Amino acid sequence: AQKVTQAQTEISVVEKEDVTLDCVYETRDTTYYLFWYKQPPSGELVFLIRRNSFDEQNEISGRYSWNFQKSTSSFNFTITASQVVDSAVYFCALISSNDYKLSFGAGTTVTVRA
Amino acid sequence: DGGITQSPKYLFRKEGQNVTLSCEQNLNHDAMYWYRQDPGQGLRLIYYSQIVNDFQKGDIAEGYSVSREKKESFPLTVTSAQKNPTAFYLCASSIGGGGADEQYFGPGTRLTVT
Repeated sequence: AQKVTQAQTEISVVEKEDVTLDCVYETRDTTYYLFWYKQPPSGELVFLIRRNSFDEQNEISGRYSWNFQKSTSSFNFTITASQVVDSAVYFCALISSNDYKLSFGAGTTVTVRA
Repeated sequence: DGGITQSPKYLFRKEGQNVTLSCEQNLNHDAMYWYRQDPGQGLRLIYYSQIVNDFQKGDIAEGYSVSREKKESFPLTVTSAQKNPTAFYLCASSIGGGGADEQYFGPGTRLTVT
């Protein structure tokens, strides 16, 4: 069985602070994909990143960066110099290569105060 | 503009009535999905369809039904058998099935049953 755990329910920061969202996963599969999605107040899920299990390189995209560590089954997400527009619920998700079902974590609500 | 549309955004029904949620995509994607989101929880898969005229149950299919008569359409019916139908429903699609393809999400329909 697959499982994704986002231990942080809510994080509140002041604008320009960095914020790191934790994601820990469990799977028996050797080939799988990890995702981060952003859900702003409007409700639509916005795709942020996909990482496959064989690629442990960290990735940076603007103010966003991701740290994938297979040894600890973690795929953490950092927002640098946060902005009010970053306020949203962020979901980490996992899917096996031969599966259709995304397993989602419970989400972390990020509130950035001006 | 390519994308996924869900209508209506808000839907209100009386208990005991069936209700159908619409999902249309013009991305030419083969696979489509329905998820349910409850407050403070991640998304859970209700049904998915890999191709036209074929669909499979997800984790919480009881009380729901779907059809896939056209590639671009995947309507979800919430029946009176669903014990807790009030939730936020998200439709998604992907190019094909399998984990390599990211799922794109629609704006969602918030269903309230009283």
